[in-house]
Amino acid sequence: EVQLVESGGGLVKPGGSLRLSCAASGFMFSSYNMNWVRQAPGKGLEWVSSISSSSSYIYFADSVKGRFTISRDNAKNLLFLQMNSLRAEDTAVYYCARFLSRTTMVSSFDYWGQGTLVTVSS
Amino acid sequence: SYVVTQPPSVSVAPGQTARITCGGNNIGSKSVHWYQQKSGQAPVLVVYDDSDRPSGIPERFSGSNSGNTATLTINRVEAGDEADYYCQVWDSSSEHWVFGGGTKLTVL
Repeated sequence: EVQLVESGGGLVKPGGSLRLSCAASGFMFSSYNMNWVRQAPGKGLEWVSSISSSSSYIYFADSVKGRFTISRDNAKNLLFLQMNSLRAEDTAVYYCARFLSRTTMVSSFDYWGQGTLVTVSS
Repeated sequence: SYVVTQPPSVSVAPGQTARITCGGNNIGSKSVHWYQQKSGQAPVLVVYDDSDRPSGIPERFSGSNSGNTATLTINRVEAGDEADYYCQVWDSSSEHWVFGGGTKLTVL
């Protein structure tokens, strides 16, 4: 069974940093491209970042580019999101999600974790 | 950047057909994916590549895409279909994924 479990969320002050993790199981993690998607309280889904299976290709939303870093550890089946210079508007539930296709990053997201809440407030 | 537009809400009686639209400039040339998100839960993929269904998704869910509008159709709507629905496309010019603002489906 495919499982994605996020962790690392919490309360952080504006300007602070946080590192989110996503533990993957039930599939060959190293073969799949992955994503982070967030959802502010009461709002819609917002794509944050994508990373290819080998980390060769990385994309970021304009809203987080230069502040967030995505990475992965294929040996440990882990996906990361390093968030720096956090702002109040980064407050959201952060989901990791798997691309359906193993061969392209232009594909739907077929499995999602349950999310981890990040709150940026003084 | 590419913009996709969804109606904020759609209401339908049980047993009827719900149609949720996703509008965008020449969206028919893109692959559209649809997600269902029930209250307090993670999103679930219900239609991908315009009209394909993942395993486990009822045949009542279908999709189409042409011109400037993609449509998610839910036949024989049930109370359990009440949720927020989001469309998603890849904007190749900006290399960004774009989600619609979401449509709240209410089953009357």
